Amino acid sequence: DAGVIQSPRHEVTEMGQEVTLRCKPISGHNSLFWYRQTMMRGLELLIYFNNNVPIDDSGMPEDRFSAKMPNASFSTLKIQPSEPRDSAVYFCASSPGLADEQFFGPGTRLTVL
Amino acid sequence: GEDVEQSLFLSVREGDSSVINCTYTDSSSTYLYWYKQEPGAGLQLLTYIFSNMDMKQDQRLTVLLNKKDKHLSLRIADTQTGDSAIYFCAERAGGYNKLIFGAGTRLAVHP
Repeated sequence: DAGVIQSPRHEVTEMGQEVTLRCKPISGHNSLFWYRQTMMRGLELLIYFNNNVPIDDSGMPEDRFSAKMPNASFSTLKIQPSEPRDSAVYFCASSPGLADEQFFGPGTRLTVL
Repeated sequence: GEDVEQSLFLSVREGDSSVINCTYTDSSSTYLYWYKQEPGAGLQLLTYIFSNMDMKQDQRLTVLLNKKDKHLSLRIADTQTGDSAIYFCAERAGGYNKLIFGAGTRLAVHP
């Protein structure tokens, strides 16, 4: 298996622009997690899905952030409009079930100028 | 609420043992995990321990759990330069499906 796939690996954009991060979980995994990693705040869970349904989005920082999972093999995390403080590495992880080991993707490094 | 704390940095000589420590607050934690993050990569699960265990050994890795003190440690025997990475402690709090991560300990291995 190719593991969790994230795209793009790097994204540089200007403040105010819309940013869309993409994730393809491991085939057969039912749970998907979005994390954000910064030096200041460490690794934060933003939102997670089970069977394509959002279960807990309490970690989403504000309304500028939204996430979708239209099917079992694809999820997006969108920031609109983006701000410099959104600069971070965003990780997607998937697991067979909610209580199982999470497999992380390589991350998307986002820089908002 | 849940909280996981780790020291931020550890430097060891190649061939020595490394001990990375972690404390957590939720006494109902079911599983505790150690993840490794190499530069430019995502997190990779190294090992985990169930809360009713005191110790788990896996080749060069030894996990010790003191549930009374809510203290978890990861010992790496014969530390190699390839072990240089950030190590994250995480807990799965009872009743929760999400993992709570510590800030990570950066392990530097020098000759």
